[in-house]
Amino acid sequence: NAGVTQTPKFRILKIGQSMTLQCAQDMNHNYMYWYRQDPGMGLKLIYYSVGAGITDKGEVPNGYNVSRSTTEYFPLRLELAAPSQTSVYFCASSYSGQGFHFGNGTRLTVT
Amino acid sequence: ELKVEQNPLFLSMQEGKNYTIYCNYSTTSDRLYWYRQDPGKSLESLFVLLSNGAVKQEGRLMASLDTKARLSTLHITAAVHDLSATYFCAVDLTQGGSEKLVFGKGTKLTVNP
Repeated sequence: NAGVTQTPKFRILKIGQSMTLQCAQDMNHNYMYWYRQDPGMGLKLIYYSVGAGITDKGEVPNGYNVSRSTTEYFPLRLELAAPSQTSVYFCASSYSGQGFHFGNGTRLTVT
Repeated sequence: ELKVEQNPLFLSMQEGKNYTIYCNYSTTSDRLYWYRQDPGKSLESLFVLLSNGAVKQEGRLMASLDTKARLSTLHITAAVHDLSATYFCAVDLTQGGSEKLVFGKGTKLTVNP
């Protein structure tokens, strides 16, 4: 199993551009999550999904959108990128209390 | 709203010494996780604590959970340089059938020779 795979690993965006962060998992987990991590801070939940077709907002959803058409994929969309979205983004998956698996992260810089 | 507080946020210690990191949380939860993160890396799962009184040990690290006090501790015994990293506790907030983790801010541990 590859686990949780995130692409790209690094990205630089200009203010106002948009992009999609990709996340895929091959463990058939029902839950998937997007977190962001700012320097010196813990991870904050952006959006999560309890299964295909079902998504919900986390703590910091503004400026982001998600979709989950299949169990495996959970992309995060940034529209109109802003400097405040400069962060490291982690995707994670879990299965009903069996533990959380994190991807390797995407480092995003918005200038 | 669940709040998770870790202390200390920064810890500098000498090799061979012992220390404890504390994780307090504000609402009821029966599941708590400890993670390690090295600079520029992802999160590595250290411990999953599933019930009151749970204690787990791996090498020089030992974690415990007191759900009544809403407190978990991560104890470091005879620290070595390789333990230098940032340690996060995360509390499982299961609501309405959906589970998610709420993280503390992390404790940056530096072990000096």
